[in-house]
Amino acid sequence: DGGITQSPKYLFRKEGQNVTLSCEQNLNHDAMYWYRQDPGQGLRLIYYSQIVNDFQKGDIAEGYSVSREKKESFPLTVTSAQKNPTAFYLCASSNQGHTEAFFGQGTRLTVV
Amino acid sequence: QKEVEQNSGPLSVPEGAIASLNCTYSDRGSQSFFWYRQYSGKSPELIMFIYSNGDKEDGRFTAQLNKASQYVSLLIRDSQPSDSATYLCAVKSGGYNKLIFGAGTRLAVHP
Repeated sequence: DGGITQSPKYLFRKEGQNVTLSCEQNLNHDAMYWYRQDPGQGLRLIYYSQIVNDFQKGDIAEGYSVSREKKESFPLTVTSAQKNPTAFYLCASSNQGHTEAFFGQGTRLTVV
Repeated sequence: QKEVEQNSGPLSVPEGAIASLNCTYSDRGSQSFFWYRQYSGKSPELIMFIYSNGDKEDGRFTAQLNKASQYVSLLIRDSQPSDSATYLCAVKSGGYNKLIFGAGTRLAVHP
């Protein structure tokens, strides 16, 4: 089936640790996005990528890093520099132009 | 000024009524506009998209776009309790297909 797969669904991180969230799509989409959602809030853009080996910072990129080595994959690393990482993380992909974004099921990250 | 603004709500409407959700955006270069529905704890799902001025209808849903006023809206006719969710407005703009979301409007449809 075509779609976007995020893993893991739940992730627990200790203070000071880096963790990587996986996002894979088989929709042959060029653009991929990472968002953060806090309780009762909207989606805030962390990073986005239009093509392989290129990505742009969103509104809240500090404390996060990404890579886009393959078209299908856009992993997000939450570094120890992110002071408040507990949130729901959503990955999305889309084609260029007037096309919608499709979302993965999300990863819920909790700092313990 | 936020790039995409929505009233947070909650917007409460009786079953069978029309729900009207509004969104404004700041980037005049914005090209495409989307409405997503999100149930609590779930991923957003697309309801409609629009990129030309005017109205676009799909079943009980109508999206309206006014680029001169930088305004997009979603009307839900014959609202049902199952429509109770958060509605997110999203705007795609710029050469890099940047996709920005508003904070969402929570809709509650009561029987």
